[in-house]
Amino acid sequence: GAVVSQHPSWVICKSGTSVKIECRSLDFQATTMFWYRQFPKQSLMLMATSNEGSKATYEQGVEKDKFLINHASLTLSTLTVTSAHPEDSSFYICSASGGTDTQYFGPGTRLTVL
Amino acid sequence: QKEVEQDPGPLSVPEGAIVSLNCTYSNSAFQYFMWYRQYSRKGPELLMYTYSSGNKEDGRFTAQVDKSSKYISLFIRDSQPSDSATYLCAMSANQGGKLIFGQGTELSVKP
Repeated sequence: GAVVSQHPSWVICKSGTSVKIECRSLDFQATTMFWYRQFPKQSLMLMATSNEGSKATYEQGVEKDKFLINHASLTLSTLTVTSAHPEDSSFYICSASGGTDTQYFGPGTRLTVL
Repeated sequence: QKEVEQDPGPLSVPEGAIVSLNCTYSNSAFQYFMWYRQYSRKGPELLMYTYSSGNKEDGRFTAQVDKSSKYISLFIRDSQPSDSATYLCAMSANQGGKLIFGQGTELSVKP
C-alpha cells in the first residue's frame, strides 16, 4: 500500500515554456500533498504544502506565481513550472499523506530546461 | 544551527558489517521520526516510522529514538551492496505534517 506516482519521470523543455508535473496517490486518499525540489548531493527542500480543495501554502522564497500548485482531488496534485528557465532545472518530488500516517514519496521528476 | 543535523558521509563499509546512522535535533516538539532510503535519481522510500521514544525493528533494520538526548539512530545488520544509497532522517511535530530532513548520509557497502 501507500503508493505515489509521478508523471512524467523526465522532461526536457525550452526556456520560457511551462511544464506540468502530476502526482497521484494510487491506493489511498491524500488529504495533504507536498512538493519538494532536490539538487544533486543535497537534501529535499520543501516548496509548498497543499490540502485538497484549498490554496497551497508556499515556503519562504518560493514564488507562488512561478510554481503553480493545484490539488483538485484527494488523489491528484499538479505542479506547473511557468516560464521555465535553466535555473529551474532540478529533481522535483511530491509526497502524499493521508493524515493518519507519514508522507509517502513519488519517484520524482527530472526537469531539464534548455 | 540546523534543526536536524546528520553527518553526510560518505560512509563506506564492507559487506556484512553493521551500519550505524545517526541524527540529532534541537526541536523538542518533534514526536514522529522517520528514516528514508533514497537511491540515486529516485524518490525517498520509507524504511522506518517511529512515534516518540523507543526501539523498532523490521528485518535487518532497527530504529532507535532517544527524545531525552534528542538523538535518533538507524542500525542496519548484515549490510548488503544493495543497501548502498543515501539515508535521510526526517521528523515532524504532527502526524502526516511537515517534515524536517537531515542532510542525508551517503552509504556505500562494498562486496
